[in-house]
Amino acid sequence: QSALTQPASVSGSPGQSITISCTGTSSDVGGYNYVSWYQQHPGKAPKLMIYEVSNRPSGVPDRFSGSKSGNTASLTISGLQAEDEADYYCSSYTSSSTLYVFGTGTKVTVL
Amino acid sequence: QVQLVQSGAEVKKPGASVKVSCKVSGYTLTELSMHWVRQAPGKGLEWMGGFDPEDGETIYAQKFQGRVTMTEDTSTDTAYMELSSLRSEDTAVYYCATLGPGAAFDIWGQGTMVTVSS
Repeated sequence: QSALTQPASVSGSPGQSITISCTGTSSDVGGYNYVSWYQQHPGKAPKLMIYEVSNRPSGVPDRFSGSKSGNTASLTISGLQAEDEADYYCSSYTSSSTLYVFGTGTKVTVL
Repeated sequence: QVQLVQSGAEVKKPGASVKVSCKVSGYTLTELSMHWVRQAPGKGLEWMGGFDPEDGETIYAQKFQGRVTMTEDTSTDTAYMELSSLRSEDTAVYYCATLGPGAAFDIWGQGTMVTVSS
């Protein structure tokens, strides 16, 4: 089971919107609505930001939104803020014997 | 509110085994589906295995089958992950995490650094 493909880096200025893509296959992203997104600051544990493609856990700002089309899921951060600078990972349930797969990770830089 | 507290950093020699613990508070372990994820230095997240609530069994990623054992002590609400035949490539931070709604990992432990070095 290969990792889901994400861009290595994405950047934007404060207040702008950015979108991170997460590309898989019909066996994972395309086959299930079990796509989630995680934010990880340096030296910290990951934090769940989006689950089931587009749902936000309590406490996550509504600046974060998720969507999916075919085998590609996306995370959009609107009104980018300095504290959004972090690594972001997508994850999906898969039909393979390895039940869960993560993305390669994207470093978000706030210019 | 669920909290996960992991054991401290470990340094092991190649070929040895390591056992990392994850203490649950706020809930009982039987109410949770516990999983383990690791992250090598400067690398991404990698799912190792966990409890599959669909069939009630612990499932291991194919990559770790035969080397990893995940257990639970319900009397102390503590989960364990033991990895054997350690090699340098196993140097990583190991996280426990609970599987929540939508098959997402909603609560994470603080991580345990395991260093494999001769």
